[in-house]
Amino acid sequence: DTGVSQDPRHKITKRGQNVTFRCDPISEHNRLYWYRQTLGQGPEFLTYFQNEAQLEKSRLLSDRFSAERPKGSFSTLEIQRTEQGDSAMYLCASSLGTGLFNGYTFGSGTRLTVV
Amino acid sequence: EDKVVQSPLSLVVHEGDTVTLNCSYEVTNFRSLLWYKQEKKAPTFLFMLTSSGIEKKSGRLSSILDKKELSSILNITATQTGDSAIYLCAVANTGTASKLTFGTGTRLQVTL
Repeated sequence: DTGVSQDPRHKITKRGQNVTFRCDPISEHNRLYWYRQTLGQGPEFLTYFQNEAQLEKSRLLSDRFSAERPKGSFSTLEIQRTEQGDSAMYLCASSLGTGLFNGYTFGSGTRLTVV
Repeated sequence: EDKVVQSPLSLVVHEGDTVTLNCSYEVTNFRSLLWYKQEKKAPTFLFMLTSSGIEKKSGRLSSILDKKELSSILNITATQTGDSAIYLCAVANTGTASKLTFGTGTRLQVTL
């Protein structure tokens, strides 16, 4: 396992539908982060897990968003009742510990388009 | 709320030129500043800076932090077309999440 994998790479959905994204972090990494990036902006923090515990959520994460990391391995991010404003790139990142010695490792992202 | 401002927003240079990208920040409890390169999808890590005045170098890229001025610069010498990308600056505070606050990035285009 050489990197962070995200699936799907692209998702087009109709407004009001639910979508779920998956992230597989680097296997030995205990921390997992979700970020959202819209066009022309830098990534914005959504939430983070240490092992299976979700320890912090941004206020950007409305009640339509939920994230899980069962067993501290892969993570899923679900968006219910999607809105056009949810269209963005959803990036997952993982790190061993704080990741502040060599940065996080980001996945390639899932690009969501809500039509 | 932590804030990162990058300048310029975009830059077009000729191959072989030297460029300097700027990053300024406001953060409540500063831990570190990081630079990433984003070409198509995943941001890739370049540097992490914690101490003022100590230059980090990797090949033609270098970066330095000025904690007094709350800023950092990223220099790229002898630019190549492969350097074309968005360069993102981010800061981490001392909170346990180690979450990053990113700037909007500088889009660099290197032409022949």
